[in-house]
Amino acid sequence: NAGVTQTPKFRILKIGQSMTLQCTQDMNHNYMYWYRQDPGMGLKLIYYSVGAGITDKGEVPNGYNVSRSTTEDFPLRLELAAPSQTSVYFCASSTGGWGETQYFGPGTRLLVL
Amino acid sequence: AQSVTQPDIHITVSEGASLELRCNYSYGATPYLFWYVQSPGQGLQLLLKYFSGDTLVQGIKGFEAEFKRSQSSFNLRKPSVHWSDAAEYFCAGNAGNMLTFGGGTRLMVKP
Repeated sequence: NAGVTQTPKFRILKIGQSMTLQCTQDMNHNYMYWYRQDPGMGLKLIYYSVGAGITDKGEVPNGYNVSRSTTEDFPLRLELAAPSQTSVYFCASSTGGWGETQYFGPGTRLLVL
Repeated sequence: AQSVTQPDIHITVSEGASLELRCNYSYGATPYLFWYVQSPGQGLQLLLKYFSGDTLVQGIKGFEAEFKRSQSSFNLRKPSVHWSDAAEYFCAGNAGNMLTFGGGTRLMVKP
């Protein structure tokens, strides 16, 4: 049972490039989340999903897109990368809604230059 | 606006000393409250959570937290800190919608 896995661990992008951050969970959780973590700012929710085919915006969705075609996978797409998207990105999952424990992946560190 | 605040950015304690990390919340209703720990280079791990009932909550690794409605606080405590407790600690809360995280407190442990 690997839990929540994320790839890549680290990536450098040039301004204007695009990329997809991968997230997979093997716990059969319905809910999945994407957060970004900036120094001293805690975690901010980017997007979340309550099940396959259903996604919704979080607090900071601009510049990102998501899809949820299966229960296991929840990729995050960055289009036209900007320096403001330099951050550490965490994927998480939970069995149910907001009151449930969220299980986090190890994170992807992204640098946009 | 709903928010969670951690007033202390950094705290240093000696190994074996007691620890208290502060967390204040601002919600209209009683929120669900959580403490997560993040070790260097790792994701977040849940230490404990409060939903209702007993205001003193026990968690993993010897941590506990006390919900005080009158002070809008949910402080994390440990009676004796170990060097392995050095990490960043996040308080989080929600009142039926998305989870809101505080800015985190980085704990350093002196030998």
